[in-house]
Amino acid sequence: DVKVTQSSRYLVKRTGEKVFLECVQDMDHENMFWYRQDPGLGLRLIYFSYDVKMKEKGDIPEGYSVSREKKERFSLILESASTNQTSMYLCASSFGDSGLRPQHFGDGTRLSIL
Amino acid sequence: GQQVMQIPQYQHVQEGEDFTTYCNSSTTLSNIQWYKQRPGGHPVFLIQLVKSGEVKKQKRLTFQFGEAKKNSSLHITATQTTDVGTYFCAGPNNAGNMLTFGGGTRLMVKP
Repeated sequence: DVKVTQSSRYLVKRTGEKVFLECVQDMDHENMFWYRQDPGLGLRLIYFSYDVKMKEKGDIPEGYSVSREKKERFSLILESASTNQTSMYLCASSFGDSGLRPQHFGDGTRLSIL
Repeated sequence: GQQVMQIPQYQHVQEGEDFTTYCNSSTTLSNIQWYKQRPGGHPVFLIQLVKSGEVKKQKRLTFQFGEAKKNSSLHITATQTTDVGTYFCAGPNNAGNMLTFGGGTRLMVKP
């Protein structure tokens, strides 16, 4: 079974802090994704990566950056956290053609910015 | 940009009743995927449809892909409390390098 592990289930940070969310997958998947999930808005893609050191902007990249130094790890960075970034963050991975293959999700990180 | 919309946003049913959620895309899709997220859980892949007019069944769940490949539906026959959760459809963008998710339909089942 594919395992996608997110470093924290719950996280509380303060406005202006730099926040790192980590995600690791164990299936050698090429593609990794970061989404945020808000009530009524579904899942919105922040950034994705289809290879080491490669990244592509999703639908809502503003205020975020990402890092993929190793194939199994994809980090989401909030450079200066703001209260409107309070949300559930979900990491996912997939094999092969990223738009065609099913995605496997981690358990999510519920982030609160005070 | 591409939009994927789902209706209804919420649905309450009595256990044993049927349930249907509908998914509509603003663009033609090469495939449509369905996911289920249990309360407190993460989305889990259910199925992928690829062919125009395709119908697939998983026990009490029936998935359909429209002839024009712009819409899809998920029908659950005789709902059970274990069906509770949010059902999402998702389709690839034109470049085929990312999925666009619908807003989801949250199903609640009264025992």
